[in-house]
Amino acid sequence: NAGVTQTPKFRILKIGQSMTLQCAQDMNHNYMYWYRQDPGMGLKLIYYSVGAGITDKGEVPNGYNVSRSTTEYFPLRLELAAPSQTSVYFCASSLPRTSGGPSTDTQYFGPGTRLTVL
Amino acid sequence: AQSVTQLGSHVSVSEGALVLLRCNYSSSVPPYLFWYVQYPNQGLQLLLKYTSAATLVKGINGFEAEFKKSETSFHLTKPSAHMSDAAEYFCAVSLNNNDMRFGAGTRLTVKP
Repeated sequence: NAGVTQTPKFRILKIGQSMTLQCAQDMNHNYMYWYRQDPGMGLKLIYYSVGAGITDKGEVPNGYNVSRSTTEYFPLRLELAAPSQTSVYFCASSLPRTSGGPSTDTQYFGPGTRLTVL
Repeated sequence: AQSVTQLGSHVSVSEGALVLLRCNYSSSVPPYLFWYVQYPNQGLQLLLKYTSAATLVKGINGFEAEFKKSETSFHLTKPSAHMSDAAEYFCAVSLNNNDMRFGAGTRLTVKP
C-alpha cells in the first residue's frame, strides 16, 4: 500500500490564483481530513469527510473548498490564494468510528504540500 | 472546549538521557489522547494513544506515556534518547466529532 499520497510537494502561487491540492489513499478509509500546519501553531483542521459525498467544516475552513466523489480522493481547492494561506498542508485518513463520541482511530498522514503565496 | 497544551516548544537532551515531553489537556469528559511524531519533511506518524484502557501506554520506538487524570497530564517519556529520536512531537486530543485538536508541538534535539 502507498498509504496517503499528496501532490504537489511544493507550489508557489501568486495572490488571487487558484489551485487544487490532491490527496489520495489506498487503505479504503472512509474518513479523510485536511490540515494546515503553521510554525509554532500545531495542526489546524480545515475540512473533513466521513465518506463519499459527505464533507464538513473543521476549525479553519475559510478560503477553502473540498469535494469527495470517491472513497479514494479528497482534493482541497483554494479559489483566491492569499498570503495568509502560505502553509504546509497535510491530508490524513482513518477508519470510521464504530460508535458516537470521540474517535480512537489512528490518523494516517501524507507527506504534505508546502504552499507559498506571494 | 477540549484542548491540549504542550509545555516547552523546544527540548534538548544528550544521547542516552531521559526524554520527557509534557502535555496537559483540558476536557470536560474522559479524553482520548494521542502522541504523534513528525520527522523532517514528513507527515505525522502515531507514536501511541490512550483510549481509557491502561493508564500507562507503550508506543513505538521505546516511548511511553502515562495518563494522569488528577494532573490532567499525558507526558511522553523515553528512558534513553537516541539520535534518531530528533523530531517534532505533537500531543492531540480527540473531540466529540471527527475533530482532533493538536498541541503546538515540541521540537526534540538530541546532542551526541
